[in-house]
Amino acid sequence: LAKTTQPISMDSYEGQEVNITCSHNNIATNDYITWYQQFPSQGPRFIIQGYKTKVTNEVASLFIPADRKSSTLSLPRVSLSDTAVYYCLVGTPADSGAGSYQLTFGKGTKLSVIP
Amino acid sequence: GAGVSQSPSNKVTEKGKDVELRCDPISGHTALYWYRQRLGQGLEFLIYFQGNSAPDKSGLPSDRFSAERTGESVSTLTIQRTQQEDSAVYLCASSLSGASYEQYFGPGTRLTVT
Repeated sequence: LAKTTQPISMDSYEGQEVNITCSHNNIATNDYITWYQQFPSQGPRFIIQGYKTKVTNEVASLFIPADRKSSTLSLPRVSLSDTAVYYCLVGTPADSGAGSYQLTFGKGTKLSVIP
Repeated sequence: GAGVSQSPSNKVTEKGKDVELRCDPISGHTALYWYRQRLGQGLEFLIYFQGNSAPDKSGLPSDRFSAERTGESVSTLTIQRTQQEDSAVYLCASSLSGASYEQYFGPGTRLTVT
């Protein structure tokens, strides 16, 4: 399973764009990159996933360079309600035949949005 | 529609007792996962069920931990002879299939072993 490294914590003011970078140097060919968000006392919530280049949805953007050894989650114009822990995960689905699918959650990045 | 539900929400038990945690996945989701989250830590994978296939038990920390799933519905995680280090939040998640990257998590069961 590919190991991921991301900053332990980040602070940002309301209205700013926040970029959280995750390193995954030993990502495998079949691995996808997925980001989850977790609020206190809740289970994680899927934000976005991608394989390469750029993916955008209504919540965030995910930038993945050509070598795929890192990825950056971009949150536009954050608000206080974006204060949460953000997890970067790398993995391959079980049904792809590559083995069991396990989401390996590290400690994540604790984002604190300041008024 | 209804999300993933778990019960109980909180459980306090004495060391050495057995506990059973329940998870009701989203209807139609064939894949189900159990994770453990210790205070201030990330999630630790425990076990994965996909349809009628044999479960992936590679994350279970000891033989005191076991889990069952009835078809593609309810799952129970059982911890026998609980120890204080078992204290954590136990999270259940389900997804449409094992090929789906989007897992839907329940609120978790907070287990405290005294």
